[in-house]
Amino acid sequence: EVQLVESGGGLVQPGGSLRLSCAASGFTFSSYWMHWVRQAPGKGLVWVSRINSDGSSTSYADSVKGRFTISRDNAKNTLYLQMNSLRAEDTAVYYCAREVGATMNAFDYWGQGTLVTVSS
Amino acid sequence: DIQMTQSPSSLSASVGDRVTITCRASQSISSYLNWYQQKPGKAPKLLIYAASSLQSGVPSRFSGSGSGTDFTLTISSLQPEDFATYYCQQSYSTRGTFGPGTKVDIK
Repeated sequence: EVQLVESGGGLVQPGGSLRLSCAASGFTFSSYWMHWVRQAPGKGLVWVSRINSDGSSTSYADSVKGRFTISRDNAKNTLYLQMNSLRAEDTAVYYCAREVGATMNAFDYWGQGTLVTVSS
Repeated sequence: DIQMTQSPSSLSASVGDRVTITCRASQSISSYLNWYQQKPGKAPKLLIYAASSLQSGVPSRFSGSGSGTDFTLTISSLQPEDFATYYCQQSYSTRGTFGPGTKVDIK
């Protein structure tokens, strides 16, 4: 069974840092591109970042570029999102999601999400 | 970046109704259009990929159509478990932008 389990969320002050993790199981993690998507309270889904299967290529939304870093450890089947210089507007539930090329790059599995709250 | 719009932003419907949601891309995305369903407090669930392909396990009352810039999601006969928010997403570019969502609630 495919599972994605996020962790690392919590309360952080503006300007602070946090690292999110997404533990993957039930599939060959190293074969898939992975994404982070966030959702502010009561708002819609916003794509944040993606990484290719071997970690050699990344992409970011303009709103997080230069502050967030996506990475992965294929030996540990884990995806990461390092978040620095956090702002109030980064407050959201953060989901990791698996992209499947066979579905024309749709996100077929999602984690349950981890809440990040940026507040003083 | 490719921008996605959806209409309506919300709708009220009854069980058994036929519901149609539209999604428009700011440029042609071929058939790289996906639909997700999200219920409160839950992760999104993939319903339709590649504009019209039904994800495994999704009921056949859900269908998608369109190509280029204009797409639709249709629920042929709304069921109680279908009351949720629906998002379209383009996967044509690596920045997989989402539409703003359409909330379907009970009339």
